[in-house]
Amino acid sequence: DAGITQSPRHKVTETGTPVTLRCHQTENHRYMYWYRQDPGHGLRLIHYSYGVKDTDKGEVSDGYSVSRSKTEDFLLTLESATSSQTSVYFCAINERGGENEQFFGPGTRLTVL
Amino acid sequence: SQQGEEDPQALSIQEGENATMNCSYKTSINNLQWYRQNSGRGLVHLILIRSNEREKHSGRLRVTLDTSKKSSSLLITASRAADTASYFCATAPIKAAGNKLTFGGGTRVLVKP
Repeated sequence: DAGITQSPRHKVTETGTPVTLRCHQTENHRYMYWYRQDPGHGLRLIHYSYGVKDTDKGEVSDGYSVSRSKTEDFLLTLESATSSQTSVYFCAINERGGENEQFFGPGTRLTVL
Repeated sequence: SQQGEEDPQALSIQEGENATMNCSYKTSINNLQWYRQNSGRGLVHLILIRSNEREKHSGRLRVTLDTSKKSSSLLITASRAADTASYFCATAPIKAAGNKLTFGGGTRVLVKP
């Protein structure tokens, strides 16, 4: 299994509070991605990174920001959490020049009350 | 928007039977991938088929790709209870920055013992 972990695995927070989710990889892959998974929507890309300090938006980036200060860590921040951001968040990694196969972390279940 | 759309949304079969699910997409692709997700877990890559390939096998999995119809099918032969999971197709559109994949909504497969 690819060395990819997410923390925390579960979190309950209140509307309006900031939340940061962490994705950590030990594979030295260049690309990292944050998705959210909701019933009826499959996986939707929030943000991705193609290198240290290089990030770009996905299809559902409003309300989220990301940072990547080193290769192994990709942080997803909800500046002011809303109930619509209750979801399961997955991080994935990918090695440029490969076959675009992505390796996924175990997920973080976030509940915003 | 989800480029890949799976059909059916849910499938229930007896152990030993074959399971077939389909994926349709809209734009030209470099490759198409299938992933499996067990309940409460991250996605696991199953198989990748390139745009110049028509059929690919991996163990009990058989994937076909028809680029003229923009569709793919995943066949699981001799299903087992352990195949109970959700299956997602993901497409790698041509010129997609960041090695981005677009996921469909998934097919939930239940294999009854």
